[in-house]
Amino acid sequence: KQEVTQIPAALSVPEGENLVLNCSFTDSAIYNLQWFRQDPGKGLTSLLLIQSSQREQTSGRLNASLDKSSGRSTLYIAASQPGDSATYLCAVPSGGYQKVTFGTGTKLQVIP
Amino acid sequence: GAVVSQHPSWVICKSGTSVKIECRSLDFQATTMFWYRQFPKKSLMLMATSNEGSKATYEQGVEKDKFLINHASLTLSTLTVTSAHPEDSSFYICSAIDSVADTQYFGPGTRLTVL
Repeated sequence: KQEVTQIPAALSVPEGENLVLNCSFTDSAIYNLQWFRQDPGKGLTSLLLIQSSQREQTSGRLNASLDKSSGRSTLYIAASQPGDSATYLCAVPSGGYQKVTFGTGTKLQVIP
Repeated sequence: GAVVSQHPSWVICKSGTSVKIECRSLDFQATTMFWYRQFPKKSLMLMATSNEGSKATYEQGVEKDKFLINHASLTLSTLTVTSAHPEDSSFYICSAIDSVADTQYFGPGTRLTVL
């Protein structure tokens, strides 16, 4: 059974700092890995999708890397802004490429 | 881009009543949809796989008679919480698979509060 863990569970940084969120998974036979953002009481916003053949994806200030062999992914946020405050979830397919297991989440607070 | 909608976005009901939540794929057909629930300050947990034209597949520990799923068309799946109790209060999110794009899209979620 796929297990997905995110460290740290919570993170508070001053505005402008670069930061890294970590995601680890137990079954490395994945098709892809996806990072989401969730604002309080809201649904999911897809940030980045990395296919298993890729090592990283970039979108604006976000960069996600994937190391399948070690079962790890990182989400790098450059020059953090208060608007980045949210919970970040990573997710990997589990038991079939369509079923998804979500990580435990990292709650990020960027202080102005 | 592809969109998945949920209705209602929030609902408050009395204990013992049933509540229906709809999940629609707006510009693609989805033979497979998924239902997740999220407890406060917790991550999302898969409840069931909704298959168009056939019975849903439930994850271990999810009561199929409690959470009725109907996927009657290629663009609509419904989740009915029967005889709701306060412990059913949660955030319910659906997702739909666009098999052509080989992509999964998530709905905005429905917050259910049972009094």
